[in-house]
Amino acid sequence: DQQVKQNSPSLSVQEGRISILNCDYTNSMFDYFLWYKKYPAEGPTFLISISSIKDKNEDGRFTVFLNKSAKHLSLHIVPSQPGDSAVYFCAASAGNTGNQFYFGTGTSLTVIP
Amino acid sequence: DAGVTQSPTHLIKTRGQQVTLRCSPISGHKSVSWYQQVLGQGPQFIFQYYEKEERGRGNFPDRFSARQFPNYSSELNVNALLLGDSALYLCASSLGLNTYGGELFFGEGSRLTVL
Repeated sequence: DQQVKQNSPSLSVQEGRISILNCDYTNSMFDYFLWYKKYPAEGPTFLISISSIKDKNEDGRFTVFLNKSAKHLSLHIVPSQPGDSAVYFCAASAGNTGNQFYFGTGTSLTVIP
Repeated sequence: DAGVTQSPTHLIKTRGQQVTLRCSPISGHKSVSWYQQVLGQGPQFIFQYYEKEERGRGNFPDRFSARQFPNYSSELNVNALLLGDSALYLCASSLGLNTYGGELFFGEGSRLTVL
């Protein structure tokens, strides 16, 4: 069962515009969420996190929003840059399960110069 | 500072063989987790080891096993390889047992191809 879903396999955005990547989850016990970026032939690189006690977290051009009632989170990248082109994964865990994170299937972002 | 290092980076095996993958966590990190990423999917949790003890196991058959050494490095073993075991195997380390409030640091992975 896929507890974390990223329903958009791909997204194309013009350079300088906003990229919005979405993620839905089904397990109400999830209380910590991570976003990773992955380039081909590299391991995932951490981008930003959010815990369930918050509804927003910002780090530079990256902002993550959490809507607990809808079991939905989104990653906003503003402004988008060509170097942001990569596959983005969201991941979720329940606080008492160590490092057992459930990952979505990823969204491939292409930023067009 | 060295990040999470994994070896080998690529390997090819045939069905029925056994494979051992190795991981060195970031210095000071005591937790190592293993994930399997099949092409087109997100990483899937296999194991977590913390202070040399198994602290979590995902939905994988007993053909998969792991261990953590006193220096916190880890090995993942897969016996009786199947074609479906072909995947990128990722190792991740963290300071403590739980990552809440922190992050998992991933290595670049070991690409296993089973023929």
